[in-house]
Amino acid sequence: ETGVTQSPTHLIKTRGQQVTLRCSSQSGHNTVSWYQQALGQGPQFIFQYYREEENGRGNFPPRFSGLQFPNYSSELNVNALELDDSALYLCASSLPSPVGNEQFFGPGTRLTVL
Amino acid sequence: QKEVEQDPGPLSVPEGAIVSLNCTYSNSAFQYFMWYRQYSRKGPELLMYTYSSGNKEDGRFTAQVDKSSKYISLFIRDSQPSDSATYLCAPQRSGNTPLVFGKGTRLSVIA
Repeated sequence: ETGVTQSPTHLIKTRGQQVTLRCSSQSGHNTVSWYQQALGQGPQFIFQYYREEENGRGNFPPRFSGLQFPNYSSELNVNALELDDSALYLCASSLPSPVGNEQFFGPGTRLTVL
Repeated sequence: QKEVEQDPGPLSVPEGAIVSLNCTYSNSAFQYFMWYRQYSRKGPELLMYTYSSGNKEDGRFTAQVDKSSKYISLFIRDSQPSDSATYLCAPQRSGNTPLVFGKGTRLSVIA
């Protein structure tokens, strides 16, 4: 069974640029959630995708957008980067469930905005 | 008031000690309670998952939930240096809803 993978591992961008981060779900998982983890903080929910549709969004501006593909892999796009976007970006995959569902995280992409 | 409060530590204990990690939460709609362990510069790893109030044990780890007081605990027995990490509590309202994380408690177990 393959776990959640993310690419790239690290990324350095300058303010105003755009970035795309990628995530491959754990085998069989069709739900992907993205989280932002600033230094010294817990992860904050950005949005979730299920069957290629956005299925919930946290308190993040529209310049944070995403996609999910038919193979359940996913992308997070951030436009007009700001210094405060520097963080570890985590994706988590899960199976949909009406009860609590375990979310399995990838290693994250560390984004630095200069 | 934040939905989930967790003392960030750091917490330093000698090897073999019993460790108690705690969170409080304000949203009574939370029904599912996760504990994640995160090593430095890595993604969170699911440790324990409990539903509603009660205890759940897995090896050296015990998760405890008291919904009446909105209090979540994780106990680690016979702590090891390899347990040194940040521990994150993450309650959830229902399936497919977001995890709401605390800030995490940084634990160091000294050999």
